[in-house]
Amino acid sequence: ELKVEQNPLFLSMQEGKNYTIYCNYSTTSDRLYWYRQDPGKSLESLFVLLSNGAVKQEGRLMASLDTKARLSTLHITAAVHDLSATYFCAVDRGTNAGKSTFGDGTTLTVKP
Amino acid sequence: DAMVIQNPRYQVTQFGKPVTLSCSQTLNHNVMYWYQQKSSQAPKLLFHYYDKDFNNEADTPDNFQSRRPNTSFCFLDIRSPGLGDAAMYLCATSKAGYFSYEQYFGPGTRLTVT
Repeated sequence: ELKVEQNPLFLSMQEGKNYTIYCNYSTTSDRLYWYRQDPGKSLESLFVLLSNGAVKQEGRLMASLDTKARLSTLHITAAVHDLSATYFCAVDRGTNAGKSTFGDGTTLTVKP
Repeated sequence: DAMVIQNPRYQVTQFGKPVTLSCSQTLNHNVMYWYQQKSSQAPKLLFHYYDKDFNNEADTPDNFQSRRPNTSFCFLDIRSPGLGDAAMYLCATSKAGYFSYEQYFGPGTRLTVT
């Protein structure tokens, strides 16, 4: 059974600082996704990582995937308040059935 | 714009009174999902349709049923809601393909059970 672990689960950081969120998963998969959820809202797709070594960047966020280590990272550069949200990684279950297993989410709070 | 639409956005029902939530999409995606999300938790997959094929998660209670009459619409029926079924229900879609099952989420329906 595929297990997906994120850490930290809660992250409080000051504006302007850098930090990394980690997503580890337990079985082989080549497809990993990052989603953002604002309080009381739905999920929004941020990044799609489809191969070993994939790196995607959007603004102050950069995501990478190491399939050999079964690890993805979401790096935040010079955080701003607007990045405050919950971030989920999701890993395809590898059956081509279209199902992903979600991590528990990392709630990020950026303080002035 | 192509999108995933959920109705209603807020639903209040009484304990034991059946309720139906709806989802429609203009993305022409062949996979549709229903998730339950409780406060401060990850979305929990209830079931999904891959084209017309229905796939139930092993731990989805029998109280939850789904229908997909056509590609664009999908319904979630809760036959006898209990207090524990109060949650946000999220519909999502994806386009099946080898390279990606990126999911597009609707705005959600927040269900309150009184």
